[in-house]
Amino acid sequence: NAGVTQTPKFQVLKTGQSMTLQCAQDMNHEYMSWYRQDPGMGLRLIHYSVGAGITDQGEVPNGYNVSRSTTEDFPLRLLSAAPSQTSVYFCASSLGGTGSSGNTIYFGEGSWLTVV
Amino acid sequence: QKEVEQDPGPLSVPEGAIVSLNCTYSNSAFQYFMWYRQYSRKGPELLMYTYSSGNKEDGRFTAQVDKSSKYISLFIRDSQPSDSATYLCATKAAGNKLTFGGGTRVLVKP
Repeated sequence: NAGVTQTPKFQVLKTGQSMTLQCAQDMNHEYMSWYRQDPGMGLRLIHYSVGAGITDQGEVPNGYNVSRSTTEDFPLRLLSAAPSQTSVYFCASSLGGTGSSGNTIYFGEGSWLTVV
Repeated sequence: QKEVEQDPGPLSVPEGAIVSLNCTYSNSAFQYFMWYRQYSRKGPELLMYTYSSGNKEDGRFTAQVDKSSKYISLFIRDSQPSDSATYLCATKAAGNKLTFGGGTRVLVKP
């Protein structure tokens, strides 16, 4: 049981380049999401998914694209990287529903992205 | 105004002291309240969650929610140097969408 796995851990991009941050979970979780963390701002939701084939926007979706073709994977695409997208990105997953299982949201170890 | 506000700290305490952390939130519709701990260069890990108003205790950790004042608290008793981390409060909405405070950095000195 690997939990939530993010790759790559570190990446440097040039302005205008595109890339995909990968996120995979092996817990059969329906819900997956992407957050970015900037100094002093906590984590902000970029996109989320409540199941395969279903995605929706969070608080800061501009410049990012997602799709969810399988339960296990939820990649985040940067279409044309900008310096404002320099951040730490976290993927999260959980079961749905109320109670302990639905409220325990697991996070990956993070992906550090620098756009120059 | 941010939906969840949290004092950034840092909060420095001697080992064994009680650590007191607070957040305020603005949306009265929130029902679930979480506390996460984040070590440097790591992902957040869930410490506790509470539903609606009231207290919840887990070992050295106690979480309190006062919905009338929209106030969330976390207390850490008998603090240890290993408790040094950033603590993030969050509220949870449908779809398990989390809204975080900015985090409070805590340093427990031996």
